[in-house]
Amino acid sequence: NAGVTQTPKFQVLKTGQSMTLLCAQDMNHEYMSWYRQDPGMGLRLIHYSVGAGITDQGEVPNGYNVSRSTTEDFPLRLLSAAPSQTSVYFCASSRTGLAGGVLPVEQYFGPGTRLTVT
Amino acid sequence: RKEVEQDPGPFNVPEGATVAFNCTYSNSASQSFFWYRQDCRKEPKLLMSVYSSGNEDGRFTAQLNRASQYISLLIRDSKLSDSATYLCVVNSIGRSASKIIFGSGTRLSIRP
Repeated sequence: NAGVTQTPKFQVLKTGQSMTLLCAQDMNHEYMSWYRQDPGMGLRLIHYSVGAGITDQGEVPNGYNVSRSTTEDFPLRLLSAAPSQTSVYFCASSRTGLAGGVLPVEQYFGPGTRLTVT
Repeated sequence: RKEVEQDPGPFNVPEGATVAFNCTYSNSASQSFFWYRQDCRKEPKLLMSVYSSGNEDGRFTAQLNRASQYISLLIRDSKLSDSATYLCVVNSIGRSASKIIFGSGTRLSIRP
């Protein structure tokens, strides 16, 4: 099993450019999510999905779109990059359990994408 | 007030020492709790889940205090390899679905 893979590992964008961060998992997990991590802020949830065709917003969704057409893939799109989106982005996946099957249990993280917007 | 708060540290302790961190949470409806470990410039990895009855895994002990709304992590006989940032995670049901909040982490540095 490859686990959770993310591409690219590093990216530099100019303000206004758009791009898609890719995330894939081969563990057949229902739950997938995107986080950004900034110094002193911890991980903040951007968007998440509880299954194919179902997505919802997290804490900081503005400027990002997601879709979940398959169980395996959960791409994150930056619509018009801004310097405030400079961050490290982590994708995670989990099976769900507890509370009627909604809450994720152990989350497995990808290696991250380090994005700089100039 | 942040929903999940941790002392950022750094905690700088000698090898072999016992060190403990707390993490407080504000949502009394929170339902599951975890400790993750994150090495520098790496992804977080699950260290242990935190159960109501408390749980132990080798040198690591996690406890939950629902009345005071905090979780704790105790590391005994610390090793150099324990140097990392420790993140607490609190899960609860939000208005639409699950809500997962990460603390900003506590940095631990073990010195020889």
